[in-house]
Amino acid sequence: GENVEQHPSTLSVQEGDSAVIKCTYSDSASNYFPWYKQELGKRPQLIIDIRSNVGEKKDQRIAVTLNKTAKHFSLHITETQPEDSAVYFCAASIGNYQLIWGAGTKLIIKP
Amino acid sequence: GAGVSQSPSNKVTEKGKDVELRCDPISGHTALYWYRQSLGQGLEFLIYFQGNSAPDKSGLPSDRFSAERTGGSVSTLTIQRTQQEDSAVYLCASSPTAVNTEAFFGQGTRLTVV
Repeated sequence: GENVEQHPSTLSVQEGDSAVIKCTYSDSASNYFPWYKQELGKRPQLIIDIRSNVGEKKDQRIAVTLNKTAKHFSLHITETQPEDSAVYFCAASIGNYQLIWGAGTKLIIKP
Repeated sequence: GAGVSQSPSNKVTEKGKDVELRCDPISGHTALYWYRQSLGQGLEFLIYFQGNSAPDKSGLPSDRFSAERTGGSVSTLTIQRTQQEDSAVYLCASSPTAVNTEAFFGQGTRLTVV
């Protein structure tokens, strides 16, 4: 079946450094790729998404890149801050409404 | 405005009992999803409702699981004869349209089967 692989499962970075989380997907027809942030004990919230007609999207310190040929996409967080500590999930669309989710990356920001 | 609301927030039940979880989506959102999140895992799709269309039940893990959405708004997820492996956080999400777009999640129901 279709799947999304997400790496690493845990990422620890020094405050102020950059963090990169990578996902690969299997369905070549996937055309929507969101990233969600879930803080401890809270609900997942969308932080950025990208569609297959663009290769990169930025929103302040957050950026996402998409390589459709290689079927992978990445989340980049620059100038990390303590409030960036959370679990981040990537997902890839299956059809018009269903998403296949990665297993999550726990991001730890060290002071 | 009000976000997606789920109740109860926590539920402890004995093995073999039935449970009912409730989701109130954002008003006007036509799409509604149920997901299951086990500890340290991603989100597992369970069921999808869109307007008056037949729901996509392809993610339901067994016939003990069922869901309804009344009047295109409130949804209930029912688990019959609960098993310990059903223990997880059950998340509901709604979206304003049918096409892939931002999903707004509820805070989840943590189900523990003892």
